[in-house]
Amino acid sequence: DAKTTQPNSMESNEEEPVHLPCNHSTISGTDYIHWYRQLPSQGPEYVIHGLTSNVNNRMASLAIAEDRKSSTLILHRATLRDAAVYYCILIRGGANSKLTFGKGITLSVRP
Amino acid sequence: DAGVIQSPRHEVTEMGQEVTLRCKPISGHNSLFWYRQTMMRGLELLIYFNNNVPIDDSGMPEDRFSAKMPNASFSTLKIQPSEPRDSAVYFCASTRWTGGAGANVLTFGAGSRLTVL
Repeated sequence: DAKTTQPNSMESNEEEPVHLPCNHSTISGTDYIHWYRQLPSQGPEYVIHGLTSNVNNRMASLAIAEDRKSSTLILHRATLRDAAVYYCILIRGGANSKLTFGKGITLSVRP
Repeated sequence: DAGVIQSPRHEVTEMGQEVTLRCKPISGHNSLFWYRQTMMRGLELLIYFNNNVPIDDSGMPEDRFSAKMPNASFSTLKIQPSEPRDSAVYFCASTRWTGGAGANVLTFGAGSRLTVL
């Protein structure tokens, strides 16, 4: 799977929007962009994924650049419970590809 | 749905002892993954199964580690003999893979925290 690059950490204020960036310049045409997050002392949980178009669900939005070499996870109103490590991962569609985690970005939320 | 169920949640054992971690995937899921997480190395994929068959075990550290999936609803990860460097949180995850165009969404268990003294 192609690699992703994320900042090590970000801080946000409660109830403000948060934009978490991810670069994936070597993405291939069939790679899906997935985001998972891991709350303290819990297993990773799925957040959202997309291929080319922007995606919205109840947890977040995913904005994908037109050239697909970067993407942004958007939390519309951060809560204290959103403090977690967020992982941006590329997975080849169709194959039962391995989900390979990088270091992720640690999001801190200030009250 | 009860989600992915792992047991035990915590295990403390002494070096040299055998450790068995258990996982019950979500009903209907046909792919199962074992991960290990440490501060130093992050989340590492150890092995995964499709339809109870091991597909890729290249992440298994050494022969002391073995994993089995005797049926669609149960998998074990065994460490024999255990060593202090095996101390980690071990996660099991499952997904329903149809081989289609969509990519997999994994559901993780709560993990088994292993401490080897």
